[in-house]
Amino acid sequence: KAGVTQTPRYLIKTRGQQVTLSCSPISGHRSVSWYQQTPGQGLQFLFEYFSETQRNKGNFPGRFSGRQFSNSRSEMNVSTLELGDSALYLCASARLGHTDTQYFGPGTRLTVL
Amino acid sequence: SQQGEEDPQALSIQEGENATMNCSYKTSINNLQWYRQNSGRGLVHLILIRSNEREKHSGRLRVTLDTSKKSSSLLITASRAADTASYFCATDPNAGGTSYGKLTFGQGTILTVHP
Repeated sequence: KAGVTQTPRYLIKTRGQQVTLSCSPISGHRSVSWYQQTPGQGLQFLFEYFSETQRNKGNFPGRFSGRQFSNSRSEMNVSTLELGDSALYLCASARLGHTDTQYFGPGTRLTVL
Repeated sequence: SQQGEEDPQALSIQEGENATMNCSYKTSINNLQWYRQNSGRGLVHLILIRSNEREKHSGRLRVTLDTSKKSSSLLITASRAADTASYFCATDPNAGGTSYGKLTFGQGTILTVHP
């Protein structure tokens, strides 16, 4: 079974731009979660989607948004990029989300200049 | 905020030795998971232990969970150089079903295994 895939793997943007990251979950998994990893803050939860509905959201500004499609693929968008948004963005999928093992993708490394 | 606190922050051992990492958390949980991360790459799931379990084994890994002390430990036996990585514990909090997908991670333990 193919793992979680994320595209692109690396991205360089400038302040003020917006970016869209994509995540394809493991086949059959309906829950997709997104995390931001930085050296200072560690791994922080962004949001979780299940059957195209956002069920949970972390403590991030409204510039961070996401969506999930009917095939469970998910995208996250960051608008008006700031230098502090430079991070590794990880997506994880699970069968149902709550109480299940989460399987992570390789991440997208975003650098904001 | 980081619910899990891991100890030690860094661990350096020789190949063949055992490595033990500890994790403490603050709220009640549904389960606790351990992940490995190699140098800024994605997280690899190692093992999940549920709140009603006390010990679990997987290959060279042994995980214990003490819900009364809100702590867990990960033991890697007979370490190899390939085990060099960061190890994170992550908790799925028992929040009445509203914690969908939200794992709370510790800051991690950096393990270095010298050949």
